[in-house]
Amino acid sequence: EPEVTQTPSHQVTQMGQEVILRCVPISNHLYFYWYRQILGQKVEFLVSFYNNEISEKSEIFDDQFSVERPDGSNFTLKIRSTKLEDSAMYFCARGRERSSYNSPLHFGNGTRLTVT
Amino acid sequence: DQQVKQNSPSLSVQEGRISILNCDYTNSMFDYFLWYKKYPAEGPTFLISISSIKDKNEDGRFTVFLNKSAKHLSLHIVPSQPGDSAVYFCAASVKDSGYALNFGKGTSLLVTP
Repeated sequence: EPEVTQTPSHQVTQMGQEVILRCVPISNHLYFYWYRQILGQKVEFLVSFYNNEISEKSEIFDDQFSVERPDGSNFTLKIRSTKLEDSAMYFCARGRERSSYNSPLHFGNGTRLTVT
Repeated sequence: DQQVKQNSPSLSVQEGRISILNCDYTNSMFDYFLWYKKYPAEGPTFLISISSIKDKNEDGRFTVFLNKSAKHLSLHIVPSQPGDSAVYFCAASVKDSGYALNFGKGTSLLVTP
């Protein structure tokens, strides 16, 4: 059983549309992450989120992307205007409750985003 | 830039034998290394990790070896079981980057009966 739940499992959208991917951690954690995996490629870091703020982001995470934790529980990734190349598996991950280093991330089962 | 490299896209091993998955990295600042296993339609599942102060970490059938001078790590699975068939990802991180992980492209392991 994954320690984070992601919804939806599959999202199909038209190019230019906005999508919101959701992540619900089972327990109360401070660190959250979004990663993506384009088909056939490696898993890539997008953004980390700590204490309700972005703590780090990659060059992939441009102005089209945003994250928030609107209700203190759900953690969302929004893509404002999707492009064909945004088609990928998007994984949410959580870190340990305490901010101790050298602890693994635990991933959800992912949302498959298909942009047509 | 591919800072973590898994040069073998696939590996086939007989049940009961040892599986050795390899990973090389280029960033000497990496100080925490992990292996994840991934089944189709699931997210990566954490398997085992090692910090740069160690050269070996063992957990049951899984052992990770780290050779810092060669910037190389390996995952040994012994004995291999058919249920181990999955894609294995090597990942690394730098302390000051928080928890952002750099992943390799993965090695698909097939364990045959």
